[in-house]
Amino acid sequence: GAGVSQSPSNKVTEKGKDVELRCDPISGHTALYWYRQSLGQGLEFLIYFQGNSAPDKSGLPSDRFSAERTGGSVSTLTIQRTQQEDSAVYLCASSSRTGGSQPQHFGDGTRLSIL
Amino acid sequence: GESVGLHLPTLSVQEGDNSIINCAYSNSASDYFIWYKQESGKGPQFIIDIRSNMDKRQGQRVTVLLNKTVKHLSLQIAATQPGDSAVYFCAENKILTGGGNKLTFGTGTQLKVEL
Repeated sequence: GAGVSQSPSNKVTEKGKDVELRCDPISGHTALYWYRQSLGQGLEFLIYFQGNSAPDKSGLPSDRFSAERTGGSVSTLTIQRTQQEDSAVYLCASSSRTGGSQPQHFGDGTRLSIL
Repeated sequence: GESVGLHLPTLSVQEGDNSIINCAYSNSASDYFIWYKQESGKGPQFIIDIRSNMDKRQGQRVTVLLNKTVKHLSLQIAATQPGDSAVYFCAENKILTGGGNKLTFGTGTQLKVEL
């Protein structure tokens, strides 16, 4: 498809388990972002990738969260030893260039539920 | 600190009327602002943006106004339609060290269009 693709769309797991969330950005987009959206809330910035540069991890809430982006395209967000407060929708976005007014295009997110 | 907030959590309008969604921000260093529309179960969809050196920008049925004096942003939707029902977020953009964009989102306003 032409848009940002995220998988799985829904994930239910037990507390303490690790989870991996995947994001396929729009082809050719060099910038990739991860956000978290709790119920009824706005989006919370987590991490940003731009090309081969070191990612900006300033938004990651704890060291249980990590992300990587292989080959400058697909990205995986990993949450280790999940906690109930990790339950949220995790959104990925990509943009074509950095700087200036480059709108971010979002996927439909992964709804993560921790039991 | 920086923050982006909305005046009203819910706005109900009659079909065909104009809608005005307001947003206040506190960080005057931002270079531009973006409005997103989010339908249930979907990711945010870009509507329109405005640079900080502008005070008005128009799109298809939408107009964004920026008042830097009072740090206020508004989204006007003309002839509101049922398909406009969604949560609307304003977001404040900040340029990251690596050149990317970090969006700080408000909580959002739920727009309900009544027939």
